[in-house]
Amino acid sequence: EPEVTQTPSHQVTQMGQEVILRCVPISNHLYFYWYRQILGQKVEFLVSFYNNEISEKSEIFDDQFSVERPDGSNFTLKIRSTKLEDSAMYFCASRDQAGGVGASYEQYFGPGTRLTVT
Amino acid sequence: GQQLNQSPQSMFIQEGEDVSMNCTSSSIFNTWLWYKQDPGEGPVLLIALYKAGELTSNGRLTAQFGITRKDSFLNISASIPSDVGIYFCAGRKLVTSGSRLTFGEGTQLTVNP
Repeated sequence: EPEVTQTPSHQVTQMGQEVILRCVPISNHLYFYWYRQILGQKVEFLVSFYNNEISEKSEIFDDQFSVERPDGSNFTLKIRSTKLEDSAMYFCASRDQAGGVGASYEQYFGPGTRLTVT
Repeated sequence: GQQLNQSPQSMFIQEGEDVSMNCTSSSIFNTWLWYKQDPGEGPVLLIALYKAGELTSNGRLTAQFGITRKDSFLNISASIPSDVGIYFCAGRKLVTSGSRLTFGEGTQLTVNP
């Protein structure tokens, strides 16, 4: 069964450094997402991406964050200058198409990247 | 912002027992989803609901989309040890849309053998 993959599984970085988290969405999917989950808390939406542009972003997704689909398979989240409070699990998700109804058309999540900012 | 209130926060049950958890919102969602998250993993979709009043099953799991569109519940029957994990409800404003999911705070389920 196709799945969303993410690398690395764990990233440790120093405050102020730039990090890039990578995701390979399911191959025929059209919508891509980043969510984050601070330890012990709920999953929070960051940004959605469709047709090579951001379609929606949350208040968390400030100027320090950016997303890119550099080629036909990867989807990246960049944090320019990491802060301690950026420490969290970051989940990538993808969705087939917006017009379908049913579980197979819903967002499928990757295993996550644990980001630790020291 | 939009909030989903999920309860209970945690449950400790014996293997074989049934369990129920629910989610409520002050605003309407037109899609309700239930995900399960195992430690160190991403959320995995269990059940998707698209119509008010809809009742959908997936094996021992049953979920309902509330008539008011502001709530949903998930039942697990005859629990087994592998049901352990965190269960999240999630809502989306539109049925067919690429828009964001709003997640509840999660229910941590522990099943004692």
